[in-house]
Amino acid sequence: DADVTQTPRNRITKTGKRIMLECSQTKGHDRMYWYRQDPGLGLRLIYYSFDVKDINKGEISDGYSVSRQAQAKFSLSLESAIPNQTALYFCATSGGISNQPQHFGDGTRLSIL
Amino acid sequence: GQNIDQPTEMTATEGAIVQINCTYQTSGFNGLFWYQQHAGEAPTFLSYNVLDGLEEKGRFSSFLSRSKGYSYLLLKELQMKDSASYLCAVRDRGGSYIPTFGRGTSLIVHP
Repeated sequence: DADVTQTPRNRITKTGKRIMLECSQTKGHDRMYWYRQDPGLGLRLIYYSFDVKDINKGEISDGYSVSRQAQAKFSLSLESAIPNQTALYFCATSGGISNQPQHFGDGTRLSIL
Repeated sequence: GQNIDQPTEMTATEGAIVQINCTYQTSGFNGLFWYQQHAGEAPTFLSYNVLDGLEEKGRFSSFLSRSKGYSYLLLKELQMKDSASYLCAVRDRGGSYIPTFGRGTSLIVHP
């Protein structure tokens, strides 16, 4: 079983719809992150959370919101989807020690028509 | 903020050696990560450097020079399966110690 699980893996929806992407992890990490990846732009941070009561905006948080329901769960919502939010979305986790890398889920490919 | 620069694309021949460079500008360097990402898949961790010098892990090595704001990933004995994107990520003391990713280098290995 994957340590970091994202659902759904693929989603096609229409402009204006509300969408939720879910992430769960079994690594026991406190830190969780949401990124989007666009061709030629690399990974960009949307939101991050260092524990259940901690939520922080990243580089590109406009149009997104998050919820940290438990240590193991971190969901990303698009309240009213727009076509330029079409991208590959990754959830990641990391431990608290500085040299620990991030562990990524398999991604959600989101298309907004 | 940070400025991270990597070549967009590189090509190499199976069995050869390739060096992928990453240059960065940051106000308070606190570590550099390299990740490998196959098309449509999750990035996976390759290496971490925080002190100057070379870190070797099998066919892959990573080098860091903090004074020059420079790192490279060296891949030896290239295999077809090494065709992937290679992401450089730099962490500094600002930004809650979260690494910022470069745009990645797409490596194509041909026979």
